Amino acid sequence: AQTVTQSQPEMSVQEAETVTLSCTYDTSESDYYLFWYKQPPSRQMILVIRQEAYKQQNATENRFSVNFQKAAKSFSLKISDSQLGDAAMYFCAYRSDATGNQFYFGTGTSLTVIP
Amino acid sequence: DVKVTQSSRYLVKRTGEKVFLECVQDMDHENMFWYRQDPGLGLRLIYFSYDVKMKEKGDIPEGYSVSREKKERFSLILESASTNQTSMYLCASSTRTGAGNTIYFGEGSWLTVV
Repeated sequence: AQTVTQSQPEMSVQEAETVTLSCTYDTSESDYYLFWYKQPPSRQMILVIRQEAYKQQNATENRFSVNFQKAAKSFSLKISDSQLGDAAMYFCAYRSDATGNQFYFGTGTSLTVIP
Repeated sequence: DVKVTQSSRYLVKRTGEKVFLECVQDMDHENMFWYRQDPGLGLRLIYFSYDVKMKEKGDIPEGYSVSREKKERFSLILESASTNQTSMYLCASSTRTGAGNTIYFGEGSWLTVV
């Protein structure tokens, strides 16, 4: 099974500041996809951003961007201009065609936004 | 909007009871999943199904079974609930092909076994 590691169980950021959440993964494959999901308190988990491994360009979605370092097997999420609504649990995930239908998730990072 | 609906948000059951958690998706997805979410452990896969009547064990299948009689519905069954099965259970679905396609989650079912 693939391993996805999130080494920061908890993070905090001041409102309007920038925060980076870390994720590393272990794989021998060359083609795969990486995802960040957000789970607000008592609410549904939703997709934040997705990165294709074959693309060198880092994915960006409004205030959310990633730093994808394929050789280092690192996939960090940067949240700019943090807002109170960004407070949530964030999960990093891996999926590839070679692993069949499964998604592999990290253990999550709980982000607190301080007003 | 795409939707994965879990029938019960909060349940309290007694030890030894049989528990059914139901999940329905409206996206015609081939794959459906049941995860268990515990603090510090992230999401752990219990079972997944890639087609009607098909199922595969995930990382922690012990004490659980599943049923998928229709494409849109995937049920998780705790044959004899135990206190260590107190947790949040997440149902999810995805397409089978295209690894870049995302997975969609339900809102979760909080199960307490007393």
